[in-house]
Amino acid sequence: AQKVTQAQTEISVVEKEDVTLDCVYETRDTTYYLFWYKQPPSGELVFLIRRNSFDEQNEISGRYSWNFQKSTSSFNFTITASQVVDSAVYFCALSGYLPGGGNKLTFGTGTQLKVEL
Amino acid sequence: KAGVTQTPRYLIKTRGQQVTLSCSPISGHRSVSWYQQTPGQGLQFLFEYFSETQRNKGNFPGRFSGRQFSNSRSEMNVSTLELGDSALYLCASKEPDNYGYTFGSGTRLTVV
Repeated sequence: AQKVTQAQTEISVVEKEDVTLDCVYETRDTTYYLFWYKQPPSGELVFLIRRNSFDEQNEISGRYSWNFQKSTSSFNFTITASQVVDSAVYFCALSGYLPGGGNKLTFGTGTQLKVEL
Repeated sequence: KAGVTQTPRYLIKTRGQQVTLSCSPISGHRSVSWYQQTPGQGLQFLFEYFSETQRNKGNFPGRFSGRQFSNSRSEMNVSTLELGDSALYLCASKEPDNYGYTFGSGTRLTVV
C-alpha cells in the first residue's frame, strides 16, 4: 500500500521568511510519481510540480524549490521569501499503478501554511 | 484551453436523496478520476474512468457510482445520501500515459 505523510499540520510564518514543507512517502513500486498541489480557500487543487522516481534532480521555479531524496523517501518543498498569497493548504501526493491499469493519487493530509504580514 | 469544469459548484441535499455531479475534462483527455475530500478522511480516491470504462474504484460503498460518456464527460452519483457524504468532490482529468493531473474547482455537497 502507498502512503504519504505530511507531519506538519499547520505552519505560520512572517512574510519574507523561508519555509519548508515536509513530505515522506512509502511505496513498493519502483516507478512512481510525486506531486505537490496547492489548495486555496476556493477549493481547487492547483498543480505545482511532478517528479518521477528516476529523476532525483532538485528543481527550482521562481521562489519555489523541491528536494527529492529517494534514500530517505522524502520530497520536500521550500518557499523562499514567502508572501501572503502563498497562504493555502499544500498537499503532497504519490501516484502509482493500479491492478486495473491506470493509476490514482494518494494524498498526504496537507499542511496549512499561513503567511502573515 | 479550457480547464476541468465541474457542476454544480454547491449543492444541498437531504438525507436519503440521491445526487449527480458532473465533470467535463480538458479537451482530449480521456481519463477522469474522482476524489472525495472531507476534514476527517482527507482526500480519497473514488474511481477512475477511461474510455467509458471504470478502471479502478476506491474503498467506497456501492452507493457511490459513476459513468463516463463517449465525449469523456463523467458523472458520479451518490444514492441514499448520508450526513457523512458531505464533502468537496473533486474531479481530475489527465492525458493517457501522462501523469499530469488537472483538477476542477470541485462540487461542495452538503447533506442535511
